[in-house]
Amino acid sequence: NAGVTQTPKFRVLKTGQSMTLLCAQDMNHEYMYWYRQDPGMGLRLIHYSVGEGTTAKGEVPDGYNVSRLKKQNFLLGLESAAPSQTSVYFCASSYSTSGGGNEQFFGPGTRLTVL
Amino acid sequence: DQQVKQNSPSLSVQEGRISILNCDYTNSMFDYFLWYKKYPAEGPTFLISISSIKDKNEDGRFTVFLNKSAKHLSLHIVPSQPGDSAVYFCAPRGGAGSYQLTFGKGTKLSVIP
Repeated sequence: NAGVTQTPKFRVLKTGQSMTLLCAQDMNHEYMYWYRQDPGMGLRLIHYSVGEGTTAKGEVPDGYNVSRLKKQNFLLGLESAAPSQTSVYFCASSYSTSGGGNEQFFGPGTRLTVL
Repeated sequence: DQQVKQNSPSLSVQEGRISILNCDYTNSMFDYFLWYKKYPAEGPTFLISISSIKDKNEDGRFTVFLNKSAKHLSLHIVPSQPGDSAVYFCAPRGGAGSYQLTFGKGTKLSVIP
């Protein structure tokens, strides 16, 4: 099992460029999440998905779009990158939240720099 | 408005001694409290959790204590080992049916050999 994988690991963009971050999980999890982490901050939720074909906004969704066309994949898009989007992006997945503590499994992260 | 506060950005502990990491929260709707551990250049990994209906949960060297009336929880690591050196995040869940975890800013633990 690879768990949660993220592509790419690093990326440098110029202001105004677009890109897509890919997250894949092989644990058959229903739920998937995109977070960003900035220096000295905790992780903040950007968007999440509770199943194939569904997405919802998290705490900091502005400037991002997401798609969940397949259960195992969750894509995060930046249509017009801004320097404020320089961050480390983490994808996570989990089983249902019914019972238990909603343990989320995280990918290794994508370090994005916007110049 | 920070719902989850980890007021100690860093903590240094001697190997073999106890490490105590603290977390305060304001939202009384939180129903589960998770701790994650993060090494540099890696994603966070789940460490231990506690339900809001309990006051203690233990897993090997790791114990989490919850004081609901004070809205405070702590993670104890005994004995501390150099491999425990990492950033620890407190991450409560928002309540039954909520999918969201709210992360604190983290505490960087350094265990000195």
